[in-house]
Amino acid sequence: SQQGEEDPQALSIQEGENATMNCSYKTSINNLQWYRQNSGRGLVHLILIRSNEREKHSGRLRVTLDTSKKSSSLLITASRAADTASYFCATDGMDSSYKLIFGSGTRLLVRP
Amino acid sequence: DAMVIQNPRYQVTQFGKPVTLSCSQTLNHNVMYWYQQKSSQAPKLLFHYYDKDFNNEADTPDNFQSRRPNTSFCFLDIRSPGLGDAAMYLCATSRDLPGQGYEQYFGPGTRLTVT
Repeated sequence: SQQGEEDPQALSIQEGENATMNCSYKTSINNLQWYRQNSGRGLVHLILIRSNEREKHSGRLRVTLDTSKKSSSLLITASRAADTASYFCATDGMDSSYKLIFGSGTRLLVRP
Repeated sequence: DAMVIQNPRYQVTQFGKPVTLSCSQTLNHNVMYWYQQKSSQAPKLLFHYYDKDFNNEADTPDNFQSRRPNTSFCFLDIRSPGLGDAAMYLCATSRDLPGQGYEQYFGPGTRLTVT
């Protein structure tokens, strides 16, 4: 069964605004990752956060992880039209950290 | 640049006609994955190779098979494609770094159409 569920399914914002996407998962994890997928393309890794970390930053990206609630959020600050894409969270399992299970994804549209 | 390459980018096959999708990598990663992704859905893992060890997901249909003749190449064979197999097929690689997490590197995908 799918490990991650993402919320919202779709998000439309104006350029310059912040975008927040949430991910919930079901079982214990070693790491949680976020990926971006432009339409019709492969996925691109954005950031990895370990289970013992609570927050991580990379450029305009901020990821938080709450293992007690089995949830994570991805914040994109000062969004740009080029950020338009689908965003997926992906979790590994305690017994197989090299296998990822992807969430359902959030489709982000940034309007110029 | 090191990368994951998939060929062809677009493949059209007829119902029931075998088709092979290919993936190559210049990253020298020991783990390779095949995913199926249908429109507006999450990628679904079909199988993966950890070095030469093949690992099939329990719900991957028997119609799907894979070969990895060497570290660099991996193939996805669909023996008798059905209309439900139309999808984007994504190849990915990762490096074995225990305790550090496995970032996956994806190819651009092959979009399969079944007529």
